[in-house]
Amino acid sequence: GAGVSQSPSNKVTEKGKDVELRCDPISGHTALYWYRQRLGQGLEFLIYFQGNSAPDKSGLPSDRFSAERTGESVSTLTIQRTQQEDSAVYLCASSLSNSNQPQHFGDGTRLSIL
Amino acid sequence: GENVEQHPSTLSVQEGDSAVIKCTYSDSASNYFPWYKQELGKGPQLIIDIRSNVGEKKDQRIAVTLNKTAKHFSLHITETQPEDSAVYFCAASKQGAQKLVFGQGTRLTINP
Repeated sequence: GAGVSQSPSNKVTEKGKDVELRCDPISGHTALYWYRQRLGQGLEFLIYFQGNSAPDKSGLPSDRFSAERTGESVSTLTIQRTQQEDSAVYLCASSLSNSNQPQHFGDGTRLSIL
Repeated sequence: GENVEQHPSTLSVQEGDSAVIKCTYSDSASNYFPWYKQELGKGPQLIIDIRSNVGEKKDQRIAVTLNKTAKHFSLHITETQPEDSAVYFCAASKQGAQKLVFGQGTRLTINP
């Protein structure tokens, strides 16, 4: 497809379990971003990848959150020992470069922690 | 760090009327200001953006204005249609800090 693809679209899990969310960016986009959107709120930055540079992890809320990206392809966001406050929509975006280029978003993964 | 405030949180207008959503930002180094439209169950969709070297940009029924001195920018939608109903977000970023800082969103409802 031409857009950013995220999977799964929905995830329900029990408190304490680990979850892994996947993002396929637009082909050719070197920059990839993860954001979190709580119900009725704006988006909060989590982490940013640009090529082979060290990622900007400044938005990760705790050490239970981590993300990986291999080269300029797929990224995974992992949340360990999930808590109820982790319930949110996790959105991925990609852009052409790191020079304030438009960010294009996927439809997100809706995560519900029981 | 950057802080973006967005008003109003909800806006209801009659079909055919204009809608205006306003945002203010705190970091004078911010130089890129996109606007996104988000429909239920979907990711945000970029509808227009503006950079700090221009004061206004227009695309059909949508326009954005930027006042760098006052550090505020606004989205204007003219001749509103029912399909314009959605949540709109403003955002800001600066060179060297690629993350977008988002406003809290405006739920726009167009009444037929």
